[in-house]
Amino acid sequence: NAGVTQTPKFQVLKTGQSMTLQCAQDMNHNSMYWYRQDPGMGLRLIYYSASEGTTDKGEVPNGYNVSRLNKREFSLRLESAAPSQTSVYFCASSPSQQVGNQPQHFGDGTRLSIL
Amino acid sequence: DQQVKQNSPSLSVQEGRISILNCDYTNSMFDYFLWYKKYPAEGPTFLISISSIKDKNEDGRFTVFLNKSAKHLSLHIVPSQPGDSAVYFCAASAIRAGRRALTFGSGTRLQVQP
Repeated sequence: NAGVTQTPKFQVLKTGQSMTLQCAQDMNHNSMYWYRQDPGMGLRLIYYSASEGTTDKGEVPNGYNVSRLNKREFSLRLESAAPSQTSVYFCASSPSQQVGNQPQHFGDGTRLSIL
Repeated sequence: DQQVKQNSPSLSVQEGRISILNCDYTNSMFDYFLWYKKYPAEGPTFLISISSIKDKNEDGRFTVFLNKSAKHLSLHIVPSQPGDSAVYFCAASAIRAGRRALTFGSGTRLQVQP
């Protein structure tokens, strides 16, 4: 009954440090997404993977890289963390990226603070 | 350029009364609209959706209304319950550069008073 699992739940980094956020889904979904949520703003798409083996930039990709390791796992990497990347990060998955009313299933988020 | 706007950051209603959450959009290419509910320290969960070819969709206590000419949609919760207290996000879906993307509003925090 896990759905989408994100690790870690919390992390504090110093400016310039690197970090990988992990995400795994057990629903056999083809598409996976990374969002960030900042105060007073909606969720903004960082990167997505429409299917295993593909990744594409979203609305705010600068400063991030992703890896679709296999169908289950989609990781987000910050190579050199900056204070502007302090945010709550959500991973999501859906059966397909192309179906308009198909809901995405979200993990519980990673709260990341960059000092 | 906020294409999806939720202009009310918060809303408080009494238990048993109706809650009405509003959402406005600017992009006429949006063809599906979704509402998500989010509790603290959890991820958003899908609530209800509506296609742009419809003007109403109902699921139990939740009804979404779409007014395409006004580019406005609303979520009605009747009757409201304390467990409905959460942040509600409106999201709109469109094909952009050959790929489908979801655009979220900034959310409305609903508090249902017992």
